[in-house]
Amino acid sequence: AIQMTQSPSSLSAFVGDRVTITCRASQGIGNDLSWYQQRPGEAPKLLIYGASTLQTGVPSRFSGSGSGTHFALTISSLQPEDLATYYCLQDYNYPRTFGQGTKVEIK
Amino acid sequence: EVQLVESGGGLVEPGGSLTLSCTASGFTLSDFEMNWVRQAPGKGLEWVSFISSNGDKRKYADSLEGRFTIFRDNAKNSLYLQMNSLRAEDTAVYYCARETVEGLTVYYFDHWGQGTLVTVSA
Repeated sequence: AIQMTQSPSSLSAFVGDRVTITCRASQGIGNDLSWYQQRPGEAPKLLIYGASTLQTGVPSRFSGSGSGTHFALTISSLQPEDLATYYCLQDYNYPRTFGQGTKVEIK
Repeated sequence: EVQLVESGGGLVEPGGSLTLSCTASGFTLSDFEMNWVRQAPGKGLEWVSFISSNGDKRKYADSLEGRFTIFRDNAKNSLYLQMNSLRAEDTAVYYCARETVEGLTVYYFDHWGQGTLVTVSA
């Protein structure tokens, strides 16, 4: 199974800060990666698919980049409502595998 | 509006069985592939199973060791997960998720249910 390694596992930043979360795949997966946001007590929500395509309705401060084995999710200006845990998911093959998650807190 | 509503969770003893349901509305279920994803208390997301739109292809996480079966009834707009020989480590919130495919090669889970809690305990 492809292993997805996310970093950091948690971070704390100020409102307005630029935040970057990375995800590394144990083998090349092309652009077959999506990102999800899970707010406390809620179901996950799709943010980015195809490594860099913003899902309809998601604020433009979120962006995705990367291909092959290295990927990143960037929040250009952190907002209070971005308090959540973020997960990457490889969509390249089965079994699908998620990263372990990055918990984002607001200072 | 697309909605996915899971049901069937609850408390079950180790070794027991449970069948989860996911009822879809706001779209034609037969047009989409579906997945189950679970989340143990305080832990991350774990993909569980996939089923193709007409049910002819199924995939499972290796950790399940053949104990779970995914199936669907498109006429009833419903997805199911039959879980047998349940263990304490199967305790989790179980989500159903719709999978959308773009251009035959780009996949993503664009809609999720609110989840149903399964607790395996004596």
